[in-house]
Amino acid sequence: DAKTTQPTSMDCAEGRAANLPCNHSTISGNEYVYWYRQIHSQGPQYIIHGLKNNETNEMASLIITEDRKSSTLILPHATLRDTAVYYCIVRLLYGGATNKLIFGTGTLLAVQP
Amino acid sequence: DVKVTQSSRYLVKRTGEKVFLECVQDMDHENMFWYRQDPGLGLRLIYFSYDVKMKEKGDIPEGYSVSREKKERFSLILESASTNQTSMYLCASSSIRDNYYGYTFGSGTRLTVV
Repeated sequence: DAKTTQPTSMDCAEGRAANLPCNHSTISGNEYVYWYRQIHSQGPQYIIHGLKNNETNEMASLIITEDRKSSTLILPHATLRDTAVYYCIVRLLYGGATNKLIFGTGTLLAVQP
Repeated sequence: DVKVTQSSRYLVKRTGEKVFLECVQDMDHENMFWYRQDPGLGLRLIYFSYDVKMKEKGDIPEGYSVSREKKERFSLILESASTNQTSMYLCASSSIRDNYYGYTFGSGTRLTVV
């Protein structure tokens, strides 16, 4: 079973920041938080991952609370092309193929014009 | 620069047919995976492979088998297709050499069994 809880859906106005929350209260000390997104009719795409420090890349920022029980993915200036299902996943960094990605049902982000 | 390629985007097969779904990656990844995706159920892992000729069952292997004869190719086989195997099938690959240990997915094969 997925170890994360996300809202089913969210709306965001184009050009505004989209803040997608994720709860992972049972996360263990060596598990990372990963975010993927899936645009309609495509395969999931990696966005970002982190352990305990905030992370930023060209796509998004990841804010992890100090107790690591929740996190927020931030898309700073959402565009219509960011409309997708966003998955928050916790997993170990190491372990090869046996360290599988387990997807929940994610959050459908709808960016409105 | 497509890196994980699934042979068919759409496929229609008849009940009882043997179906092959092919996946090829050009990143020299050790690990390959097959998922299926259904509305309301998310992505579910069918099988995965961490090396040539090696395979492991995922969460829903019943009715499926896999083959990995070469590192770059991972085939999903439906021995006798049934209507409840109508789904979107997604292939992915990963490598312990990647600095993010993430998966790269293909675009998917939408299979309809009639």
